[in-house]
Amino acid sequence: DQQVKQNSPSLSVQEGRISILNCDYTNSMFDYFLWYKKYPAEGPTFLISISSIKDKNEDGRFTVFLNKSAKHLSLHIVPSQPGDSAVYFCAASAGGGSQGNLIFGKGTKLSVKP
Amino acid sequence: ETGVTQTPRHLVMGMTNKKSLKCEQHLGHNAMYWYKQSAKKPLELMFVYSLEERVENNSVPSRFSPECPNSSHLFLHLHTLQPEDSALYLCASSQDAMGGRRSYEQYFGPGTRLTVT
Repeated sequence: DQQVKQNSPSLSVQEGRISILNCDYTNSMFDYFLWYKKYPAEGPTFLISISSIKDKNEDGRFTVFLNKSAKHLSLHIVPSQPGDSAVYFCAASAGGGSQGNLIFGKGTKLSVKP
Repeated sequence: ETGVTQTPRHLVMGMTNKKSLKCEQHLGHNAMYWYKQSAKKPLELMFVYSLEERVENNSVPSRFSPECPNSSHLFLHLHTLQPEDSALYLCASSQDAMGGRRSYEQYFGPGTRLTVT
């Protein structure tokens, strides 16, 4: 059973508007969450992360929100740009001695239209 | 070269062949990883190496055999694969594998697209 779920396989947004990508998880032991972005023919690249002791982390146009009670996190991109078009993966880890083990979602393909 | 490189980028092999995938990281990291991404499935962690020692093996069949001769290089040796092993194989590295940000912020290579016929 999937521990990290991205229920929307795709999302289309107009340039300049906000993109909101969602992720749900089931394991309450997860204590670190990340978003990765992937362009075609390239490997995923790290985008932004958040520790479970926080509920928000912001980096420029990207903000990640964490709602632990709902086991839900979201990535907000504002304003969205055509170059943001990519597949976005949510990932989580249980921390401690998990030795870098990340559990990934299936990804959401974001298309930002000019 | 910078970042994480992988060769070959594409590989087609028969079920009786033996081949190897190569990964090299130029970031001075101490941990390296192999992931598998099958169609319509999430990335799955296969192996973790920390300071050239294998620290994790996620129930991967023995037809996949990793090798880490030093902290910059990682290989995945393949033999008698099955068609269902066709996938994108991604290598990644991180500063260490002790948990926390230094472990979870991983840098990925572009992957090897493997097709088993």
